[in-house]
Amino acid sequence: ETGVTQTPRHLVMGMTNKKSLKCEQHLGHNAMYWYKQSAKKPLELMFVYNFKEQTENNSVPSRFSPECPNSSHLFLHLHTLQPEDSALYLCASSQGDKLTNSPLHFGNGTRLTVT
Amino acid sequence: EDQVTQSPEALRLQEGESSSLNCSYTVSGLRGLFWYRQDPGKGPEFLFTLYSAGEEKEKERLKATLTKKESFLHITAPKPEDSATYLCAVQARSGGYQKVTFGTGTKLQVIP
Repeated sequence: ETGVTQTPRHLVMGMTNKKSLKCEQHLGHNAMYWYKQSAKKPLELMFVYNFKEQTENNSVPSRFSPECPNSSHLFLHLHTLQPEDSALYLCASSQGDKLTNSPLHFGNGTRLTVT
Repeated sequence: EDQVTQSPEALRLQEGESSSLNCSYTVSGLRGLFWYRQDPGKGPEFLFTLYSAGEEKEKERLKATLTKKESFLHITAPKPEDSATYLCAVQARSGGYQKVTFGTGTKLQVIP
């Protein structure tokens, strides 16, 4: 399998539930990202991992908890979410370090609905 | 703060009717400007990277150009399969690791 794979594609959860999103990249990249995409808004960067080390956390609420066990896998653990957290959550990967400008490669996202 | 503004928000073209999408940006030292295509229900797909003013890149019916303040995505003789949302993004030289600022996109519809 190639590219960036995200599971599940759709998720409906109540505000008291705990769930996890999974991302796997088969591109050999060293950096992985979580983005949030809401209607009429630009993509919002949430977290960045480089070689398993978290390098960016864009003031994301603690109800979102990332985990990167290795350079190929990324998780986003969700708990006690709010309805305004409903969005498309995109995982991406890229090659290089902060001095390079290699493009992002995205998965097809998880459509999250919080009820 | 880096900013990206895309216009128009939506564009409807007849098949074969050429047009351009605009991406205006402000950034403290441009490292790269990116164009992506996003189909409904899918993640963005990388199209081009532009690095400096005057640069141009082409792919099939698409041509991207860059000035110091804006980028254009020219679509020549579009086909219905070119219908998608086109996203522009910039990466600054300074700032955090791989921080890329996105615009809100232009939704293109090409009618047969």
